[in-house]
Amino acid sequence: DIQMTQSPSTLSASVGDRVTITCRASQSTSTSLAWYQQKPGTAPKLLIYKASSLESGVPSRFSGSGSGTEFTLTISSLQPDDFATYYCQQYNTYPWTFGQGTKVEIK
Amino acid sequence: EVQLVESGGGLVKPGGSLRLSCAASGFTFSTYSMSWVRQAPGKGLEWVSSISSSSTYIYYADSVKGRFTISRDDAQNSLSLQMNSLRAEDTAVYYCARGRETSHFGLLIILGIFDLWGQGTMVTVSS
Repeated sequence: DIQMTQSPSTLSASVGDRVTITCRASQSTSTSLAWYQQKPGTAPKLLIYKASSLESGVPSRFSGSGSGTEFTLTISSLQPDDFATYYCQQYNTYPWTFGQGTKVEIK
Repeated sequence: EVQLVESGGGLVKPGGSLRLSCAASGFTFSTYSMSWVRQAPGKGLEWVSSISSSSTYIYYADSVKGRFTISRDDAQNSLSLQMNSLRAEDTAVYYCARGRETSHFGLLIILGIFDLWGQGTMVTVSS
């Protein structure tokens, strides 16, 4: 199975900060990589697919990059609504696997 | 409204069975792949199973293979997950999720891009 490792596990930041989350795959996933946002008690929400494609309706402050084994999710200017847990997920190879999550907290 | 609504969760004893359902509305259900993703309490997300449009392709995580069965009824716009031989480690919130498909040289490919999720249904396996 492809292991997905996110860093950091927890991130403390302030409104307006630029935030970057890294996701590393144990083997290449090409650009078959998605990012999700999850708030407590709610279902995940798709933000980015195909490593860098922004899902419809998602604010442009979110962006994704990378290919192969290293990927990043960047929030250009953190907003109050962005405090949540973020997951990367590879869909290149079965079983599809998720990272362990990165919790973005208020500093 | 475009939505997915899960039902069927509950408390079951180890070794027992449970059937989850997911009702879809607001979109052409038959043209999408569908999946189940679960989340144990306080833990991350785990993909469980996927079924392509027309039920052509079905995939399972090793952790549930042989115990869980995914199915869909396009006439009823519904997805199901039959869970047998349940274990304590199956305790989780189960989400149904809509996925995308593409075609490559005439071959249908399920993309694990989950663009619509239900609210989840809790399954607790405990004696």
